[in-house]
Amino acid sequence: AQTIHQWPVAEIKAVGSPLSLGCTIKGKSSPNLYWYWQATGGTLQQLFYSITVGQVESVVQLNLSASRPKDDQFILSTEKLLLSHSGFYLCAWSLPGTGGGDTQYFGPGTRLLVL
Amino acid sequence: GDSVTQTEGLVTLTEGLPVMLNCTYQTIYSNPFLFWYVQHLNESPRLLLKSFTDNKRTEHQGFHATLHKSSSSFHLQKSSAQLSDSALYYCALRITGNYKYVFGAGTRLKVIA
Repeated sequence: AQTIHQWPVAEIKAVGSPLSLGCTIKGKSSPNLYWYWQATGGTLQQLFYSITVGQVESVVQLNLSASRPKDDQFILSTEKLLLSHSGFYLCAWSLPGTGGGDTQYFGPGTRLLVL
Repeated sequence: GDSVTQTEGLVTLTEGLPVMLNCTYQTIYSNPFLFWYVQHLNESPRLLLKSFTDNKRTEHQGFHATLHKSSSSFHLQKSSAQLSDSALYYCALRITGNYKYVFGAGTRLKVIA
């Protein structure tokens, strides 16, 4: 059974419209959670991370916000999409390891096209 | 700030030849964790290798890498490329005690028959 689910699988949205992407982790207690963005052919850019419910830290400012309303849920959103938001959004989880070497496990991702 | 530099762009190899993908990093911290992630077409990235220990070789699925803090390098190697190795490879850096990851630009490896 898949541990990490992301929804939706893909979206086509208009510039200026709102966006909400979700990620759910099943079977893992208190994981660290991460959001990444990958432009087509581009690198992985970490957007946010959360190590506990209700607390989210921003890594880069891309006019996006994130929330962790439950231990197993991570939400990425914006009120106004920009063309530059197009790309592949990946949620990842890890369990705290020793010395910072915890492996990140990536979800299947959401493809977003902003027109 | 912290950064990771990889072999740029596309590396094309004939099956059976050795693989060497370069990764160097910059950080002011002395205890970085280095990772190699692999992303096959239309898939998500998955961990290939990771290391924290200086001068210790780490191996997985035929690939190996050694973290050299003296040269700030973590090059990925394999003795013999296979067609199934064709993928995008990312080198990444994390500072111990920090939850921020810095990924390199990625190197696309294409193995041809």
